[in-house]
Amino acid sequence: TQLLEQSPQFLSIQEGENLTVYCNSSSVFSSLQWYRQEPGEGPVLLVTVVTGGEVKKLKRLTFQFGDARKDSSLHITAAQPGDTGLYLCAGGASGTYKYIFGTGTRLKVLA
Amino acid sequence: EAGVAQSPRYKIIEKRQSVAFWCNPISGHATLYWYQQILGQGPKLLIQFQNNGVVDDSQLPKDRFSAERLKGVDSTLKIQPAKLEDSAVYLCASSPRTGSGNTIYFGEGSWLTVV
Repeated sequence: TQLLEQSPQFLSIQEGENLTVYCNSSSVFSSLQWYRQEPGEGPVLLVTVVTGGEVKKLKRLTFQFGDARKDSSLHITAAQPGDTGLYLCAGGASGTYKYIFGTGTRLKVLA
Repeated sequence: EAGVAQSPRYKIIEKRQSVAFWCNPISGHATLYWYQQILGQGPKLLIQFQNNGVVDDSQLPKDRFSAERLKGVDSTLKIQPAKLEDSAVYLCASSPRTGSGNTIYFGEGSWLTVV
């Protein structure tokens, strides 16, 4: 069974702080996506990483795909209250057609 | 372009009752997914269709859950009989095809409360 484990599960920080969320698996993923989900809504795609070692930046968010394509990280610089939400990694494991989600990281940024 | 449509948006039922959720994917999308998301957790894949065939349903509790996608377009997810632990958001999603690097589009979800 392919699993995507995220850490930490919960994170509460002050506005302006930096944070990193991790997404790990024992399986190789052909690509990974990161989503942000707000209460009452479906997940919204933030980024897709495809190549091992790839780094993508989206304003204050930096996404990295591990060299072995088994893990990924999301780093937020100078977090703002608007960053509050549930962050999810997801992807299709190589050799399967299943698209699975990580366990989720709930972030709360306090003003 | 219309997004993924789901209904009903909210449903409250008593345990042992039945419920059905409907999903209309984006036009032309071959792959359709049903996920169950318990509050604060990541979505769990229940069933994945490619056109009207099942790609994966390994985590679908088949004693009480069923899903179909007739004609490879709309889909329904049914729970009968419902249990308290089925309280969750049921997300439907679609993508143009199955495979890596695919963009998946989500509906707003159907919120189920079992009392």
